[in-house]
Amino acid sequence: KQEVTQIPAALSVPEGENLVLNCSFTDSAIYNLQWFRQDPGKGLTSLLLIQSSQREQTSGRLNASLDKSSGRSTLYIAASQPGDSATYLCAVGSGGFKTIFGAGTRLFVKA
Amino acid sequence: GAVVSQHPSWVICKSGTSVKIECRSLDFQATTMFWYRQFPKQSLMLMATSNEGSKATYEQGVEKDKFLINHASLTLSTLTVTSAHPEDSSFYICSVVGRGVNTEAFFGQGTRLTVV
Repeated sequence: KQEVTQIPAALSVPEGENLVLNCSFTDSAIYNLQWFRQDPGKGLTSLLLIQSSQREQTSGRLNASLDKSSGRSTLYIAASQPGDSATYLCAVGSGGFKTIFGAGTRLFVKA
Repeated sequence: GAVVSQHPSWVICKSGTSVKIECRSLDFQATTMFWYRQFPKQSLMLMATSNEGSKATYEQGVEKDKFLINHASLTLSTLTVTSAHPEDSSFYICSVVGRGVNTEAFFGQGTRLTVV
């Protein structure tokens, strides 16, 4: 059974800092990995999608990497801003096209 | 990418009543849709896989008689919470997954259910 773990569970940083969020998964037989952002009481905003054949994707200040063989992904956020404060969810596309989520990292960026 | 529309975005119902949530795939035919539930400060947990024209597949621990899923067409799946109780209060969200080259998962806006 696929399990997704995210570390740290929560993170508080000053504005401008670069930061890394970590995600690990137990079954390397995935077809993709997605990073989402969720604001309190809201739905999901897709940030980055990495197909299983890819190693990284970039969008603006965000960069996500994937090492499928070791079951790891990282989300790098450059020059963090208060508007980046949210919960970041890592999700893997697994067997049966199911998407399995990690518990998330709650990020707070202080002005 | 696919557009997934979920309705209603929020609903308040009395304990003991049933509530239906709709999930529509607006721009492609989805033979499979997925339903998730999210309790406060927790992550999204897969509840069931909705299969067009056949019975849904439920994850372990999810009561199929309480959470009725109907996927009567390639663009619509419905989740009915029957005899709702306060502990069913949660955020429910559906998704569709692209096939072929693009296997990205697309999510609806979610439905916040409050049972009073």
